[in-house]
Amino acid sequence: AQKVTQAQTEISVVEKEDVTLDCVYETRDTTYYLFWYKQPPSGELVFLIRRNSFDEQNEISGRYSWNFQKSTSSFNFTITASQVVDSAVYFCALSEPGNNQGGKLIFGQGTELSVKP
Amino acid sequence: GAGVSQSPRYKVAKRGQDVALRCDPISGHVSLFWYQQALGQGPEFLTYFQNEAQLDKSGLPSDRFFAERPEGSVSTLKIQRTQQEDSAVYLCASSFTWNYGYTFGSGTRLTVV
Repeated sequence: AQKVTQAQTEISVVEKEDVTLDCVYETRDTTYYLFWYKQPPSGELVFLIRRNSFDEQNEISGRYSWNFQKSTSSFNFTITASQVVDSAVYFCALSEPGNNQGGKLIFGQGTELSVKP
Repeated sequence: GAGVSQSPRYKVAKRGQDVALRCDPISGHVSLFWYQQALGQGPEFLTYFQNEAQLDKSGLPSDRFFAERPEGSVSTLKIQRTQQEDSAVYLCASSFTWNYGYTFGSGTRLTVV
């Protein structure tokens, strides 16, 4: 069965601290995609990254980095030198190809990050 | 338009009332999804369209929920005889092709009183 678990419900850090958001997924497919989305108070889901199951190379984008480890079914997200503007709810999501499913997203429960000045 | 547009932004309905929520996807996007997000939860899949065809409606919670996309662009999610448990944010997302990347709208916050 498909499942995404974000065990951290809330995280609070002080500005400039590094913070890692954990994501563990379950799937029976060998081909799948993993995503991270940011949801600020305005409510819109903002796409951050997509990673396919065959690419375990870690990725860095500015202050953001992602660590994908298939051996532990994890796709963790690290923010370096956090800023107040990073405060939001972050969602990890899983998508599997399948007949007529269109790659629907299975979301985790989300981690609410609060960065204090 | 440049993004996915949803209307209304907020909707308050009396229990038992019917509501219709609109999604205007990015022009040319073939795939369209509806998700329901309860307070403090992650979005949950409701239904999926490829052009005008509704290919997956496995996430619709009851037969009171109905979605359509008659011309393969604008989509409407209709909820009949609303109940309090229907209170949530309803998100629409569109994509050029599956897994290419999904663009979400700002959602419609439905409150049933």
